[in-house]
Amino acid sequence: NAGVMQNPRHLVRRRGQEARLRCSPMKGHSHVYWYRQLPEEGLKFMVYLQKENIIDESGMPKERFSAEFPKEGPSILRIQQVVRGDSAAYFCASSPPQVLTLHFGNGTRLTVT
Amino acid sequence: QQQVKQSPQSLIVQKGGISIINCAYENTAFDYFPWYQQFPGKGPALLIAIRPDVSEKKEGRFTISFNKSAKQFSLHIMDSQPGDSATYFCAASRSGGSNYKLTFGKGTLLTVNP
Repeated sequence: NAGVMQNPRHLVRRRGQEARLRCSPMKGHSHVYWYRQLPEEGLKFMVYLQKENIIDESGMPKERFSAEFPKEGPSILRIQQVVRGDSAAYFCASSPPQVLTLHFGNGTRLTVT
Repeated sequence: QQQVKQSPQSLIVQKGGISIINCAYENTAFDYFPWYQQFPGKGPALLIAIRPDVSEKKEGRFTISFNKSAKQFSLHIMDSQPGDSATYFCAASRSGGSNYKLTFGKGTLLTVNP
């Protein structure tokens, strides 16, 4: 049973470009969560999605960030017009319904130059 | 989100020793306290978790101690091994509809020397 799959593992973007991060949840998991880890910091919640629905986006920056989890395919975290402060590790987690334990992927390390 | 404060920032222990990492929280609504272990280049993995209805939980060499009145909890790693070298994060959340919204500490980098 494959774990949470994230790609790419490393992503380099220049300021002003767009970054797209992908997450495929574990088999049987219909809930996806995105967390961001800034250097020297713990992980911070960004958004919680179910298929075709954003449940809680209270941790998402108001501008430039968006997330989706379509009926088919992976969840996508999109960052438009990236800035240096967006450089971080972005982790996706998944869970089945009604279960507290989050299973994290290995993350995407975004570097903005 | 309320803060979870974790200490120490880094810890060096000899093989066979006891590693102790402490966390303190502010929000009294928190009622789920997991610890995560993260190796370089990997995602966090759940190690052990506790709820406030018990003061201690043990799984193998890992023990969580919980002090509800002090709003503190700690992780003890007995007989520490070099393979335990990793970053450890404490976290907290509220049960019910927002139990997925974990508030993490900043992490403790544990090094176990052989």
